[in-house]
Order: sequence, then structure tokens, then C-alpha cells
Amino acid sequence: DTAVSQTPKYLVTQMGNDKSIKCEQNLGHDTMYWYKQDSKKFLKIMFSYNNKELIINETVPNRFSPKSPDKAHLNLHINSLELGDSAVYFCASSLSFAGPNPYEQYFGPGTRLTVT
Amino acid sequence: TQLLEQSPQFLSIQEGENLTVYCNSSSVFSSLQWYRQEPGEGPVLLVTVVTGGEVKKLKRLTFQFGDARKDSSLHITAAQPGDTGLYLCAGAGAQKLVFGQGTRLTINP
Repeated sequence: DTAVSQTPKYLVTQMGNDKSIKCEQNLGHDTMYWYKQDSKKFLKIMFSYNNKELIINETVPNRFSPKSPDKAHLNLHINSLELGDSAVYFCASSLSFAGPNPYEQYFGPGTRLTVT
Repeated sequence: TQLLEQSPQFLSIQEGENLTVYCNSSSVFSSLQWYRQEPGEGPVLLVTVVTGGEVKKLKRLTFQFGDARKDSSLHITAAQPGDTGLYLCAGAGAQKLVFGQGTRLTINP
């Protein structure tokens, strides 16, 4: 009963390619997020969606395009991959982004992206 | 820009010792969370502290939120090898969490 799942777990690709990472949560949460964790383990938010609507776009290059077909799914498409995009990408979800304890987040297992 | 500074960034101690990890900011947060991350996995929420001065205990782990809601600490008593991992604090800001850079804790048997 995986709460937040991501595919693929590992992604190795060449510069210039386009790739997608998929995320699904079965927790019934309204809000989903994408984070990037760099080699120093610093975790930084990229996007958040609430009920399929974009809430946060944290100055991410427009080569990154999130898509939320429904509130249980948030996919991340990356165009024209660059070396600096190599990182671990985490999907997360939370009950909501408002109300008490809105930010208790449940993370997926991560997707390790390596751009060569 | 809200920033969280964790210290130390790396800590390696012997089993049975006590330790404290600090999370500091110049910004006020509505709540603060601590996560633990194992290699190859996503962070897992340990605790949320909401009220200034609040203390929460989770077995051998004690979490405290500063009175001014700008800082927090995590104290582990009688550390065990199973406590090894990356500990992340995260402050709740405007519609998002701001994470510290993490403390990599190693408990040696």
C-alpha cells in the first residue's frame, strides 16, 4: 500500500533529451509537490499543486513543466535536459496547504536523474 | 527569503552517547517539522511543533520549538545505530516548507 509512488526510480539520459517523471498518491490528499534534492542533500521546493491548480512555481526554468491530470497525480516533464538537472527529484503530498498542520508532507521514494 | 541553518552538518558519535541538533533562523515560522531520511528513500515526518516553547517527545527523541518560533532543537538520548540517518528540519512559511540543509548523523556501534 504505497502512499506516494514515483516512476522511474532511476533515470539516466543524455543532455538535450526530454524526460518525464510520474507521481501518484493514494492518500486522498489535495496538495502535491515536486522537490529537488541536490548532491549536498539540500531539499528545495519546485512546484506545488492544490486540486490540480498551480499554487507555487519557485523560479524553476520553464524547461520544467508540471502537469496534474487529477488531484492524485502530479507529473514532471523536463525538456532539453542539462547537466545541472542531475539530482534526486521527490514528489510529496499533504492534506492541504491551509488549515492546521497543513504542511505535514508524505514523500515518495525519489527519482535519481543523471544527465550525461 | 526564509532560511534555516542546521548545525552540525555532520555528527558521528558512539552508541549510547547523547546529542543535540540545532535548527536556527531569523524568520518566524507558523510551525516547524523534523524529518528523517534514509539513503535511497524520501524524508519521513517525525514530528510537528506548533506552539512557541513546545516540547514533544518521541521515545528517546526530544523536540523543542523556540519561544519565538524561530528555532528548534532535536535531542537524542542514548543514541543507537538505528538512529543513523539524515535529519532535516523544515519551517512552514507562505504555502510551503523551507528545509534546512540537514544533519547527517552516524551512530557507531
